[in-house]
Amino acid sequence: SQKIEQNSEALNIQEGKTATLTCNYTNYSPAYLQWYRQDPGRGPVFLLLIRENEKEKRKERLKVTFDTTLKQSLFHITASQPADSATYLCALPEDSGYALNFGKGTSLLVTP
Amino acid sequence: DVKVTQSSRYLVKRTGEKVFLECVQDMDHENMFWYRQDPGLGLRLIYFSYDVKMKEKGDIPEGYSVSREKKERFSLILESASTNQTSMYLCASMEGTGSAGELFFGEGSRLTVL
Repeated sequence: SQKIEQNSEALNIQEGKTATLTCNYTNYSPAYLQWYRQDPGRGPVFLLLIRENEKEKRKERLKVTFDTTLKQSLFHITASQPADSATYLCALPEDSGYALNFGKGTSLLVTP
Repeated sequence: DVKVTQSSRYLVKRTGEKVFLECVQDMDHENMFWYRQDPGLGLRLIYFSYDVKMKEKGDIPEGYSVSREKKERFSLILESASTNQTSMYLCASMEGTGSAGELFFGEGSRLTVL
């Protein structure tokens, strides 16, 4: 099955800067990739989906890129705010196509 | 507002007890999922269901079973709870089949097995 790698080290950045999180996968390139946000003690919340034929997707201050050659997706938050502090998960469809496999997530801390 | 509701936020059970975790969604979604989440291991898929009375094993089905008698309800059953099943359990639903839909998660059920 697909192996999904996200940086396990927490990312600490200053308010106003751009946060960039990485998601790498090892096997076949998926038809799409999703990003979720998870706050402590809560369920993940969907943020963005990007398909394999899309290089880039934007939603407000969020931007996702998808490079099938590098087998990598980058997730950017521009003009970051303390309220953006959370764990961010990337997810890819598993072999059956019904369910999603998740990376372990990267914790982001935005300090004032 | 779309909603996935898990019956209990916190449970404490004893080893050997039978445990039921209930999940209800109000979006008429075909697909429902049970994950568990543990520190350092991330989210792992236990079981999923793509239709009423249908179920498929995920990556870690051992020690669990599921029931989907109605479209809106998906139950996770621990036949004989063990301490290594102490975890956060997350239910999710998704519309359609292979439709690249987003998952809607419940708030989670934190189970402690003593």
